[in-house]
Amino acid sequence: QVQLQERGAGLLKPSEALSLTCAVSSESFSGYFWTWIRQPPGKGLEWIGEIEHRGNTNYNPSLRDRLTISLDTSRSLFSLNLNSVTAADTGVYYCAREGWLQLEADSWGQGILVTVSS
Amino acid sequence: DVQMTQSPSSLSASVGDRVTITCRASHRIDNFLNWYQQKPGKAPRLLIYATSTLQSGVPLRFSGSDSGTDFTLTITNLQPEDAATYYCQQSYTTPRSFGQGTKVELK
Repeated sequence: QVQLQERGAGLLKPSEALSLTCAVSSESFSGYFWTWIRQPPGKGLEWIGEIEHRGNTNYNPSLRDRLTISLDTSRSLFSLNLNSVTAADTGVYYCAREGWLQLEADSWGQGILVTVSS
Repeated sequence: DVQMTQSPSSLSASVGDRVTITCRASHRIDNFLNWYQQKPGKAPRLLIYATSTLQSGVPLRFSGSDSGTDFTLTITNLQPEDAATYYCQQSYTTPRSFGQGTKVELK
């Protein structure tokens, strides 16, 4: 059973960079996509982007200009960097594993709340 | 982008009822449709993928089906622990968009 754990700063000021990591336990990165999904307070889910084991990425066009997702297989983690944050980036950020064939998010981290406030 | 329109936004039902939630895709997504359950303060949980395949460990009272670009999640014999918000998601193309969610409450 794979486990995922998000880590990173929970409070940011506007214009700062959001940086999160997702530690993946007991799992090879091959054969899956690894994704970030967020949820503003009281609202629905928004797909941010994904990376596969060779490092190829897909990003949400609404975030592409500010977003980088990377993978460090030697440390069993993948990362999210989002530049120039605003209050609209406030929410719970989840990392998850996506299956290779159907891209369903079958395993999730517990989520980390990120608040952007001056 | 593919837009996912989910309905209803909320519903109230009694234990033992049959509940149906619908999701419509704005474009063709073949069978790349997933359903998630989310309880307050928790991460979403995958229930169904590929339109109708039940994720391991999910009770058999949950089922999924489709008719073209319309997809349905059905909960038969609703149980108290099914009170949650349910989301559909298309994984046919990026961005892998979600529906707005359906909150299921128990009467």
